Amino acid sequence: NAGVTQTPKFQVLKTGQSMTLQCAQDMNHEYMSWYRQDPGMGLRLIHYSVGAGITDQGEVPNGYNVSRSTTEDFPLRLLSAAPSQTSVYFCASSPLSQGTNEKLFFGSGTQLSVL
Amino acid sequence: AQSVSQHNHHVILSEAASLELGCNYSYGGTVNLFWYVQYPGQHLQLLLKYFSGDPLVKGIKGFEAEFIKSKFSFNLRKPSVQWSDTAEYFCAVSLYNNNDMRFGAGTRLTVKP
Repeated sequence: NAGVTQTPKFQVLKTGQSMTLQCAQDMNHEYMSWYRQDPGMGLRLIHYSVGAGITDQGEVPNGYNVSRSTTEDFPLRLLSAAPSQTSVYFCASSPLSQGTNEKLFFGSGTQLSVL
Repeated sequence: AQSVSQHNHHVILSEAASLELGCNYSYGGTVNLFWYVQYPGQHLQLLLKYFSGDPLVKGIKGFEAEFIKSKFSFNLRKPSVQWSDTAEYFCAVSLYNNNDMRFGAGTRLTVKP
């Protein structure tokens, strides 16, 4: 059972480049989300989804796009990378209980540097 | 705006000392509360959670947390820490029936052997 798989683990981009961070889970979880982790700021929610075809914005959505075409996959797209997007990105999934995510399972993270 | 505050950024304790990490939130309404832990080199994982019922919840590895509604707090406690508890601890909050879950800035715990 692989859990939550994120690729790549490391990425360096130039300002203005675009890229997609991949996230896949094999636990049939309805809920998936993306967080970024910055020193002293904890984890901040970027986007989340409660099922295929449903996405919603979190706390810091600007500069990022998501889509959820399948239950398993939840890619995060950076449209035009900026140095302020240098961060560690975590994907997480969870089963839903009465409409609420009850336990997040995290991926191993993607360390992104934008020069 | 909704927020989660962890006032202790770095806590250093000796083994066998007691631990209490503070967590306060500014949400109105019914909340779901969580503590997550990130051990060095490992994924974040759930330590414990509170949805309803007994406000004193017990989690893995001897940790517990108490929800005090009047103080908007959900402090994490452990009577006697071990070196293996060295990690970063995150408090998280979401509104009931809502999946916009917010994390605190985290508290780094260092336990000296």
